Amino acid sequence: GESVGLHLPTLSVQEGDNSIINCAYSNSASDYFIWYKQESGKGPQFIIDIRSNMDKRQGQRVTVLLNKTVKHLSLQIAATQPGDSAVYFCAENSRDSSYKLIFGSGTRLLVRP
Amino acid sequence: SQTIHQWPATLVQPVGSPLSLECTVEGTSNPNLYWYRQAAGRGLQLLFYSVGIGQISSEVPQNLSASRPQDRQFILSSKKLLLSDSGFYLCAWSVPDTVYEQYFGPGTRLTVT
Repeated sequence: GESVGLHLPTLSVQEGDNSIINCAYSNSASDYFIWYKQESGKGPQFIIDIRSNMDKRQGQRVTVLLNKTVKHLSLQIAATQPGDSAVYFCAENSRDSSYKLIFGSGTRLLVRP
Repeated sequence: SQTIHQWPATLVQPVGSPLSLECTVEGTSNPNLYWYRQAAGRGLQLLFYSVGIGQISSEVPQNLSASRPQDRQFILSSKKLLLSDSGFYLCAWSVPDTVYEQYFGPGTRLTVT
């Protein structure tokens, strides 16, 4: 299928290393943030989320960090594996509607064997 | 468990032809439903969302329309396709009365020739 990451910023990491994907958000009033993983030709998959009353949340091999002072969100992937290769999107809830998420432009993660 | 279906998976249509993409959700009631478009190498653009039967909110003026004839059915349509309508169309759902995690379908790859 057609790649969704042709023109996206790319992060290349060695298999087994840790990956850090960053995201800047714009709305200081956003109170919910989410990370998605999208493999080529597939729909995005939920990875992890975090509410604004938290600074850090951990999942299986993933950690999300939220810095509200500088409006920055990061996704850390421990011991990166080839199956982690994908495009990663951050999203925040929308100020003008409680039903909408605003998605970032995405980062392509390439894992070198 | 909840599942979301989209069809067709791929579609090649000539300019000026009509379009109908269908999305159905199983295992939940009164979900919020969303249509997104994703151009190659780009992020997700929200096209329409619906919080109930017959209720449609349009995000971007364009050549497309959406309908929700049943609680768990969301349809994306066009009377006359343009070349610029090509892209990867994603349907998503979320729990009612909340903006939180959205769960995406497998997508439809539309090529307008």
